[in-house]
Amino acid sequence: GAGVSQTPSNKVTEKGKYVELRCDPISGHTALYWYRQSLGQGPEFLIYFQGTGAADDSGLPNDRFFAVRPEGSVSTLKIQRTERGDSAVYLCASSFRDRTDTQYFGPGTRLTVL
Amino acid sequence: AQKITQTQPGMFVQEKEAVTLDCTYDTSDPSYGLFWYKQPSSGEMIFLIYQGSYDQQNATEGRYSLNFQKARKSANLVISASQLGDSAMYFCAMRDNAGKSTFGDGTTLTVKP
Repeated sequence: GAGVSQTPSNKVTEKGKYVELRCDPISGHTALYWYRQSLGQGPEFLIYFQGTGAADDSGLPNDRFFAVRPEGSVSTLKIQRTERGDSAVYLCASSFRDRTDTQYFGPGTRLTVL
Repeated sequence: AQKITQTQPGMFVQEKEAVTLDCTYDTSDPSYGLFWYKQPSSGEMIFLIYQGSYDQQNATEGRYSLNFQKARKSANLVISASQLGDSAMYFCAMRDNAGKSTFGDGTTLTVKP
């Protein structure tokens, strides 16, 4: 079956612009996660959805970052007023039920803020 | 706070030999899970193996095994019979009691022909 997909694969934007990153989880997976991976580092947790609701958003760095999952499937990570420090690979993962299940990752979106 | 330490930024191994990638963790939770992921240059994180803190036996998945030493808080990954396709970045991760996952900074493995 299809794995986690993310679009776009690459996004280049200018400082101050708004961007949206999309994640399509594995079909039937209830839990969805966003991570940010900076060069040379491991993924850093941003937010966890259980169904449509954000069960844990403690990893979002500030209020410029927001994520939604309105129908409990596809999720969109939204970044307002982008800064150069936001440049990173944004990874999405999903798991079958909740955080006790193994997470399966998508290929990531590489965001570059000029 | 949970912490994962991978002390080997880079490792080299000869094809067909075994290699051990080190991982130590720090937690006060009695219940946790340990994972290893592989990240090739394509960027996708591929799940390799899982070990629960209460599991009595070390986890194995094909050529991958996890050397779990609970008292030492280590969860080293052993790859047997290395293949050229094993060249990648490898991440150790821990899931705490609340379900939050923390990743180490990774080890780059290069398999030499």
